[in-house]
Amino acid sequence: QKEVEQNSGPLSVPEGAIASLNCTYSDRGSQSFFWYRQYSGKSPELIMSIYSNGDKEDGRFTAQLNKASQYVSLLIRDSQPSDSATYLCAGGGYQKVTFGTGTKLQVIP
Amino acid sequence: GAVVSQHPSRVICKSGTSVKIECRSLDFQATTMFWYRQFPKQSLMLMATSNEGSKATYEQGVEKDKFLINHASLTLSTLTVTSAHPEDSSFYICSAREGTDNSPLHFGNGTRLTVT
Repeated sequence: QKEVEQNSGPLSVPEGAIASLNCTYSDRGSQSFFWYRQYSGKSPELIMSIYSNGDKEDGRFTAQLNKASQYVSLLIRDSQPSDSATYLCAGGGYQKVTFGTGTKLQVIP
Repeated sequence: GAVVSQHPSRVICKSGTSVKIECRSLDFQATTMFWYRQFPKQSLMLMATSNEGSKATYEQGVEKDKFLINHASLTLSTLTVTSAHPEDSSFYICSAREGTDNSPLHFGNGTRLTVT
């Protein structure tokens, strides 16, 4: 079992819709969780960090964490074509950050 | 804040030569830096974890004598690809962690290595 799992997609949503990206993790010792966005040919950039159960909002992005279910999600409201990228979920602990393989998001104009 | 600078961004070298890639944390001290490799349309692959002042920890299957990592200071880590071969052509990305073990990784812009 992979430590951090994501559906590879592609996930296609129309412009203006809400994109919902999901991630599960197996290490209950993970204390911190991150969402990164990676455009093709570029390095990942940090979008959100979340550490406690519940929702965390930043602009059009909302991260959700449920430690009991070992589940992390990212909602992107009012999706734009520029949001088309691969989204990486990561779980962190001591000396280690484990990445999922990423979900490719396509926002259709 | 939390800027990681990686150089060079692109390098082309001949087979058998060595290439050094630098990764610097510009505005924070990075006790731990990570090196990744990514092939086209594939996910990030962790190569090694580098701690300042100590030997790097390599992931299974990564040759430590081929990929030399030095983390001499809290702001600089280097990756040297020795005796490069065409199969080493890839996108190499460094990242650094600021502060505690719960802090996120910040990535450099990556180095695209082409070995001819």
